[in-house]
Amino acid sequence: ETGVTQTPRHLVMGMTNKKSLKCEQHLGHNAMYWYKQSAKKPLELMFVYNFKEQTENNSVPSRFSPECPNSSHLFLHLHTLQPEDSALYLCASSQDGAGGAANYGYTFGSGTRLTVV
Amino acid sequence: GQSLEQPSEVTAVEGAIVQINCTYQTSGFYGLSWYQQHDGGAPTFLSYNGLDGLEETGRFSSFLSRSDSYGYLLLQELQMKDSASYFCAVRDRAETTDSWGKLQFGAGTQVVVTP
Repeated sequence: ETGVTQTPRHLVMGMTNKKSLKCEQHLGHNAMYWYKQSAKKPLELMFVYNFKEQTENNSVPSRFSPECPNSSHLFLHLHTLQPEDSALYLCASSQDGAGGAANYGYTFGSGTRLTVV
Repeated sequence: GQSLEQPSEVTAVEGAIVQINCTYQTSGFYGLSWYQQHDGGAPTFLSYNGLDGLEETGRFSSFLSRSDSYGYLLLQELQMKDSASYFCAVRDRAETTDSWGKLQFGAGTQVVVTP
C-alpha cells in the first residue's frame, strides 16, 4: 500500500448511528489532517494532528471526534450526525518542517463519501 | 477573515491555453499552492510558489505576485484528461521545525475541456 488510504469509500448512516472513518498513511509523514468537502465550497479544515497531538480544531461540532493513535493512523468518530453533515471527508498527510510540505504539498486520500439519512 | 477567490468554471477546447486566477486575503501568507482533483478522486498537489514569479512544471505553470495578493495557474496544450477541478490554497504560517502552517483552500475552478 502506498500513499494515503481511507476507508470506507462510501458510508450511509442514520442520525442515531455511530460510525468511524479511518485513514492510514504509508509515507512516513508527521502531520495528518481531516478536511470536509461540500459541493461548490472550499475544502474546510476540521482537525490537524502533528506528531499525534491535536493542534487545531476549527470549531467543529462535538458530534465529530478525532483520534490519532500514532503518526500513521487517523480516525474520525461520528455520532448523532445531521443531514447537513453529508459530504466528502478527506484525510491528508504532510511532512511538515524544513520545507517539506511547502515543496511537496499535502497528500490526500480519495475520501469517504458520507450520506446522513 | 481569510478568503480565496477563483472562478467557478472555465471551458476550453483541446490544445488551448487556460489561466485560472486566484486572489487571496489572509491573515498570514507563506506561499500559494495549486491542487487538481478529478471527479471521485483525491486532490493532488501540482505546484507551490513561495516567492514572486513563475514556476514551470511541464504543461502547467504557476505565478505569484505577493504585492497584488494574486496568483494564477496556466494550463497549456490542454488535453481531455485535464478536465478536473483546480484549487488554489494558501499556507497561513511559516513552516519551520517548530511551527506548522495549515492550508486554506479556495472553492475550486471546474475546467471543462471539449474536443
